[in-house]
Amino acid sequence: GESVGLHLPTLSVQEGDNSIINCAYSNSASDYFIWYKQESGKGPQFIIDIRSNMDKRQGQRVTVLLNKTVKHLSLQIAATQPGDSAVYFCAENNDGGGADGLTFGKGTHLIIQP
Amino acid sequence: DAGVIQSPRHEVTEMGQEVTLRCKPISGHDYLFWYRQTMMRGLELLIYFNNNVPIDDSGMPEDRFSAKMPNASFSTLKIQPSEPRDSAVYFCASRYDRGVGNTIYFGEGSWLTVV
Repeated sequence: GESVGLHLPTLSVQEGDNSIINCAYSNSASDYFIWYKQESGKGPQFIIDIRSNMDKRQGQRVTVLLNKTVKHLSLQIAATQPGDSAVYFCAENNDGGGADGLTFGKGTHLIIQP
Repeated sequence: DAGVIQSPRHEVTEMGQEVTLRCKPISGHDYLFWYRQTMMRGLELLIYFNNNVPIDDSGMPEDRFSAKMPNASFSTLKIQPSEPRDSAVYFCASRYDRGVGNTIYFGEGSWLTVV
C-alpha cells in the first residue's frame, strides 16, 4: 500500500545550526500531516501539524513546510539544541478515506554535535 | 492531564507464555490505537477503537493477537502464545474525535522481549 518515507536515516548538525528533516509521501489523498519527536526510551511526542490547505506552519523554533505538488514535507528546527537529539517521524492521515490511524515514515535520527 | 498510561513498561517472557499489555487513554478521548514499533518495520498500526468498538484490526499480525476495550478508560492487547518475533515496543495512543486533524497522543510504550 501507499506509505510515508524519509530520505535520510541519520542527520548530524552542529549545536546552534538549523536542521532540516525531509519526508516524502505517496498518498495524494492525504490531507493532514504531523511531525513527531521520539527520544530514546519514550513514546512519540507531537511537535507540529499541518493540513493540506496550508503550505507552511510555524511553531516555537519549528516550521513545517508542505509541498503538495511534489508530495514533500519538511521540518525545520532553528538553532538546534542538545535536547533536540531524537528520532523524528512524519506521519500522514487521510481523513476523507476513513482511515483514522496515522501512517508513519521510518524516522530520521537527528544528532546534535557540540 | 495524565496522558496515555501503559503497563507494564517492560516485560520479559518465555516463548509460549501469554502476554497482556494494558492501556488507559486520555480521559475524554474517543479513539484508541495500538501500534507496534520495531527497527525493521517502524511504527505499525495494529488495531484501533472508536467509542470502545473495534473499527479496523487489519494490522493485527495473526490470531495470536487480540485486543479489547471493555470501557472508555481501559484497553488490553493480548498475545497468546507469544513468540520471539513478537519482541517489540507496543504503544497505545488516543485522540479526540474532532474531524479533520488527527493529533494522536502516545503513551510511553510497553517494551516486550520474548525469549
